[in-house]
Amino acid sequence: AQSVTQLGSHVSVSEGALVLLRCNYSSSVPPYLFWYVQYPNQGLQLLLKYTSAATLVKGINGFEAEFKKSETSFHLTKPSAHMSDAAEYFCAVAYSGAGSYQLTFGKGTKLSVIP
Amino acid sequence: DAGVTQSPTHLIKTRGQHVTLRCSPISGHKSVSWYQQVLGQGPQFIFQYYEKEERGRGNFPDRFSARQFPNYSSELNVNALLLGDSALYLCASSLGLKGFMGSPLHFGNGTRLTVT
Repeated sequence: AQSVTQLGSHVSVSEGALVLLRCNYSSSVPPYLFWYVQYPNQGLQLLLKYTSAATLVKGINGFEAEFKKSETSFHLTKPSAHMSDAAEYFCAVAYSGAGSYQLTFGKGTKLSVIP
Repeated sequence: DAGVTQSPTHLIKTRGQHVTLRCSPISGHKSVSWYQQVLGQGPQFIFQYYEKEERGRGNFPDRFSARQFPNYSSELNVNALLLGDSALYLCASSLGLKGFMGSPLHFGNGTRLTVT
């Protein structure tokens, strides 16, 4: 069974500092991995996805993530935080079986950006 | 183009009541999925429908049911509401059944259900 663990329920960074949000996955098959962002009172927006192509994945808003099979990790980074990055971030792994597919999400990491 | 739309945006119900939540997918999307997001947690998969058929079901009791209509819109029904059903219910659509292979899931803004 697939699962996702996000380390740190709350991360604070200064504006302009590096953003690093951690995600480790467990999967019995090669995974499809995603990062989503959720702003207050909104749904989820896809930041980026890994689908077994390049291990370094670039997403929207300057975010990127690196798939490391040996570490079963898919950490999200951004070189310089902006105030508008304050939101909750979810890592997810896709599961496909019996003719359907679904996402298993981590518990989320709330990012605060300090001016 | 309009995104995934959900109605209502907020809802307050009493324990034991029934609720129906509605979702309209992005035009051209044939798959609709429902997720429950309890406060402080990540979304949890409830159902996936494709071409009006249930294709997947998460670990939820039979009080939860859904259907998809010929225009690909969908309803989520919850009977005999419990306090623990209070959550944000998210609908997501995608072009095909296995959206992660191409078009990803597009989420609506959700319906906030409060059970008192």
